[in-house]
Parts: sequence; C-alpha cells; structure tokens
Amino acid sequence: AQSVTQPDIHITVSEGASLELRCNYSYGATPYLFWYVQSPGQGLQLLLKYFSGDTLVQGIKGFEAEFKRSQSSFNLRKPSVHWSDAAEYFCAVGAGITGGGNKLTFGTGTQLKVEL
Amino acid sequence: ETGVTQSPTHLIKTRGQQVTLRCSSQSGHNTVSWYQQALGQGPQFIFQYYREEENGRGNFPPRFSGLQFPNYSSELNVNALELDDSALYLCASSGGGGTEAFFGQGTRLTVV
Repeated sequence: AQSVTQPDIHITVSEGASLELRCNYSYGATPYLFWYVQSPGQGLQLLLKYFSGDTLVQGIKGFEAEFKRSQSSFNLRKPSVHWSDAAEYFCAVGAGITGGGNKLTFGTGTQLKVEL
Repeated sequence: ETGVTQSPTHLIKTRGQQVTLRCSSQSGHNTVSWYQQALGQGPQFIFQYYREEENGRGNFPPRFSGLQFPNYSSELNVNALELDDSALYLCASSGGGGTEAFFGQGTRLTVV
C-alpha cells in the first residue's frame, strides 16, 4: 500500500525567504505525485503534479517540485515566499492505472506560517 | 466551465441519523472521488465512482455508500452517524486515468 510522509507539521518562514517543504512517499511502481494547498475551511487547490518525464516540475504561484526516485522524495520549493502563501500544504500520491489522479493518499500536511 | 460544487456547505446531524451529501462534477469529468478530512489531518480516500460504477474503496465501513448519476454528479450517504464522522467531506472530479483531480469546497459535517 502506498503512503506519504510529511515530516514537518509546522514551518515558519519570513516573507521573502526561500521555502522547502519535504515529502517522502512509498509506492511500488512509478508514482503520480501531487502537491495541493488548502486555505482554512476551503477545498484543495492543485499546485503541481508529476506523472513522468522531467523530474523538475513547475506549478502555479511560483512553486516547483523535484522528483527524486532514489530518495523517494518530492519536495516542494519556492524561492521567495509571500505572506499570501500561508496555508496548509499536502503532498499526495495517486494509485492505480485508472483514476491515478483521483485515488489519492495524502500526507498529514505541513502548516506554513509567514512572518512579515 | 463550472468547477466542482458541493452541497450543503455545513450540516449538523445527531448521532444515529443518516446524511446525504451532494457533488456536481466539473464539466467533462466522468470520475468522482470522495474524501474525508478530519480536523488536523490529511484527506482520506473513501471511494471513487467511474461511469456510475464504484471503482475502488478505501478503508471505510459499508455504512458509507455512494451513487453516481448519468450526468456524473454524485452523492455520498452515511448511515448510523457516529461522533467520529464529524469532518470535512471533499468531492473531487477528474477525467479518469492519470489526470489530476479538482476539488470542491467541501461539506463540513458535525455530528452531535
């Protein structure tokens, strides 16, 4: 069975500083990997996804993530954080040939706080 | 193009009651999945519907059931509600296969 670990429950960064959120996954085959962001009381918004190909993927809002098969990791990065980035971030792995993007196993999330 | 819409947004039920949550999928999407997100946790996969048939189920008891209609909208039904069923219930639609899922805003269910 697949699983996702987000080791950092809370992270605080200063506005303008760089950000890296960690994600490790366990999955037997080539994974479908995703990062979602959730504002309080809201649904999930997709930031970026990796299905295959280039291991460095670009997403919305200036985010990027790098797939490293040897480390089973898919860390999310942003070079300069804005106050509006404060939210909860979820890494997820998709399962199965059908519905791979919509049978997701999520990590427990990382709460990002941005100090002005 | 309309997004994924869920109704109602909030709901309060009494333990032992039954509840139905509704989801309209995004235009052109034939696959709907439901997730339960308890407070402070990541979403957990309940089940998926593809072309009106259940297409995978997570670790949830049979009192969690669903339907998908010909227009690909969906319902989640929960019978014999328990206090631990209090959560944000998220619906996500996709085009099937490896495409990404688009989430609705969720229904906040409180069981008292």
